[in-house]
Amino acid sequence: EIVLTQSPGTLSLSPGERATLSCRASQSISSNFLAWYQQKPGQAPRLLIYGASSRASGIPDRFSGSGSGTDFTLTVSRLEPEDFAVYYCQQYGSSLTFGGGTKVEIK
Amino acid sequence: QLQLQESGPGLVKPSETLALTCTVSRGSIRNNNYYWGWIRQSPGKGLEWIGSVYYSGTPYYNPSLKSRVTISVDTSKSHFSLELTSVTASDTAVYYCGRQGGYCGSSSCSPTVIDVWGKGTTVTVSS
Repeated sequence: EIVLTQSPGTLSLSPGERATLSCRASQSISSNFLAWYQQKPGQAPRLLIYGASSRASGIPDRFSGSGSGTDFTLTVSRLEPEDFAVYYCQQYGSSLTFGGGTKVEIK
Repeated sequence: QLQLQESGPGLVKPSETLALTCTVSRGSIRNNNYYWGWIRQSPGKGLEWIGSVYYSGTPYYNPSLKSRVTISVDTSKSHFSLELTSVTASDTAVYYCGRQGGYCGSSSCSPTVIDVWGKGTTVTVSS
């Protein structure tokens, strides 16, 4: 099973700042089959990024994904108030597994 | 806009079977581009993929749960279902259903990302 480790656990930032979230895999993810989701309290996750760097439909361009192999990054270029949430990575190259999440909170 | 709605008991006794249904509306469950999956979320384990099913009935399971899980689809009723046997307190979670994309390699196909989610239903395992 591919284990995904997300860091940091919590990121404290102010609106307008840049957020950089990390997702590290225990083994290389084939074909960069790595996705990112956003989850707000009481809601289901929402797909942001798939294929490591492709934005899902309707996702603002301030969200971007990068990386390959075992190291992946989600960047939010300028945080809007609605971006404070928990973010999860998910790999689908070998079965499907999720990371433990990074909480982006208001500083 | 496609909608998914989970339904089923909110309380299940230990050692019994958890059974949930996901009804698909405002879209077709027969679409051959998609798979239909179950994901759960608990405080202790975070998000966990349980398994998925293709509209033809072919299932895909998380290896760690495979011995206890059955996922099936009923296209005439536009719904798919989850059965999880021999439940314990560790199966307490919010259970989501979702629509998934698919990828076909040289020899097989498999589900991928979840692009449409149900709202989730809380299931507690307790006597």
